[in-house]
Amino acid sequence: AQSVTQLDSQVPVFEEAPVELRCNYSSSVSVYLFWYVQYPNQGLQLLLKYLSGSTLVKGINGFEAEFNKSQTSFHLRKPSVHISDTAEYFCAVTPSPLTGTASKLTFGTGTRLQVTL
Amino acid sequence: GAVVSQHPSWVICKSGTSVKIECRSLDFQATTMFWYRQFPKQSLMLMATSNEGSKATYEQGVEKDKFLINHASLTLSTLTVTSAHPEDSSFYICSARFTNYGYTFGSGTRLTVV
Repeated sequence: AQSVTQLDSQVPVFEEAPVELRCNYSSSVSVYLFWYVQYPNQGLQLLLKYLSGSTLVKGINGFEAEFNKSQTSFHLRKPSVHISDTAEYFCAVTPSPLTGTASKLTFGTGTRLQVTL
Repeated sequence: GAVVSQHPSWVICKSGTSVKIECRSLDFQATTMFWYRQFPKQSLMLMATSNEGSKATYEQGVEKDKFLINHASLTLSTLTVTSAHPEDSSFYICSARFTNYGYTFGSGTRLTVV
């Protein structure tokens, strides 16, 4: 089984400041890792994913994340945030490779990023 | 590509009635769909996994008789909340696997039972 921990439930940050949203996971098998963003009353939109290869993954909207196997982390970063980045961010994992119904996503509890002027 | 259309976006129903939520994959065949429930300011809780042509697999604690899931075709999965009660009010989201490593999500359905 897998588990995901997002230590920060809320992260307030000023516009144009850098931000890091933390994600740690636990798994006895290899995993794929994902970051999703959710705006109010909407579904989830994929920001980026790590499957294999380079541990630094670049996603949409200027976000990037780094996979650290030894620390079992997949922290999300953005060098300069915008007001429009205010949303809920979810880290998720699934066993790799994907096989059958076991390949469901396990989500963290989410981090609310609040960007202010 | 890989779009899932979820309807309705919101629904209000009376206690005791049933509500059906649909998720359609528009440009791919979704052999596996997932249904989630999300409480305010909380994470997504997986309710069940449905595979086309077979019975859904429900997570522990989810009442299969209350939350009926049908995945009769490769492009349509439905969740029916039967005999809905106020405690069933929530945000329901579907998701589909569209490749060996891709998941796409519907836009969600806000259910309010009065």
